[in-house]
Formats: sequence, structure tokens, C-alpha cells
Amino acid sequence: AQSVTQLGSHVSVSEGALVLLRCNYSSSVPPYLFWYVQYPNQGLQLLLKYTSAATLVKGINGFEAEFKKSETSFHLTKPSAHMSDAAEYFCAVTQNTGFQKLVFGTGTRLLVSP
Amino acid sequence: DSGVTQTPKHLITATGQRVTLRCSPRSGDLSVYWYQQSLDQGLQFLIQYYNGEERAKGNILERFSAQQFPDLHSELNLSSLELGDSALYFCASSSRLAGGLPDTQYFGPGTRLTVL
Repeated sequence: AQSVTQLGSHVSVSEGALVLLRCNYSSSVPPYLFWYVQYPNQGLQLLLKYTSAATLVKGINGFEAEFKKSETSFHLTKPSAHMSDAAEYFCAVTQNTGFQKLVFGTGTRLLVSP
Repeated sequence: DSGVTQTPKHLITATGQRVTLRCSPRSGDLSVYWYQQSLDQGLQFLIQYYNGEERAKGNILERFSAQQFPDLHSELNLSSLELGDSALYFCASSSRLAGGLPDTQYFGPGTRLTVL
């Protein structure tokens, strides 16, 4: 079975600081990995996805993530945090078996202080 | 705006009741997924439909059922409601079933269900 683990339910950064949200996956087959963001009272929005083409994936709003097979990780980073980045971030995994259900991590709430 | 619509936005009901949540996928998308987001269980996959047929089931209770209609909208029916069913229910859609790279799932804004 596939799973993802997000370390840290809350991460606090100052505006302008580096954002690092951690995600480790477990999968018996090559995984496809996603980061979604959820703003308060809204649905989930895709930030970026890894589908085996390139290990460094760039997404929207200046976010990027690097797939590291040796570390089974797919951490999300952003060089400089903005106040508008405050939200909950979810890492998710799926596999291309025909039933592409997403298996989500428990989420990390990013807090950005001025 | 993802293009996925869900109604109603909020639903408050009592234990033992039955409710229906509705989802309209993005134009052209054939796959619809239902997810439940609760404080204790997190985000969990419930069920998937593709072009009117059930394709995958997750942790969906027997009291819950879903269907996808010929116009591709989907409904999630929740019956004999319990306090623990209070959650945010999301619908997502994608364009293909499988084959090649996985499609992006686009999420609706969700329906917040409160069972009193």
C-alpha cells in the first residue's frame, strides 16, 4: 500500500524566510507525487506534481519540490515566504494502475509571521 | 476557480437523517472522485466514478452511496447519519481514467456537513 508522511503538523516561518515542508513516501511501485494547498474555507489547489519526467519540479507561486528516490522524499520548498503563503499543505501519492485515487498525508499548516 | 462545483456549500442536519451532496465536474472531465476530510481521519478517498461506472472504492461506509449520471454530474448519498459523519466532503474531477501519466485532479470547494 502507498502512503505519505508529512513531518510537522505546523511550520512557522518569518516573511522572507525559506519555506521547507517535508514529505516522505512509501510505495512498492514508482510513485506519482503531488503537493496541494488548501486556503481557509476553500478546496484543494494543485501546486505541483512529479510524474517521473524530471526530479526537480517547479510549481505555482514560486514553489518547487525535488524527488529523491534514495531518500524516498518529495520535500516542498520556496526561497522566500510571503504572508499569502499561509495555508495548509498536503502531500499526496498515487500510482498509474488505472485507479488514480490520491492518498494524502496529514497536512502541514504553514504560519507566516511579519 | 477549479471549474468543479459542489452544492450545497453547507449542510446542517440531525442524526439518523439522509442527505445528498451534488458535484458537477469540469467540462469534459469523465472521472469524478469523492473525498472526506475530517479532523480525526484527515483526507480520505471514498469512491471514484468514470463515465457513469464505479471504478474504485476506498474507505466508504455502507451507509454511503454514490452515482454518476449521464450528464456526468455525481451525487453522494449519506444515510443514517451519525455525529462522526460531520466533515468536509470534496469532489474532484479529472479527464482520463488511466493510461500514461496521471491526470491532475481538480477539487471543488467542498460541502461542509454538520450532524447534530
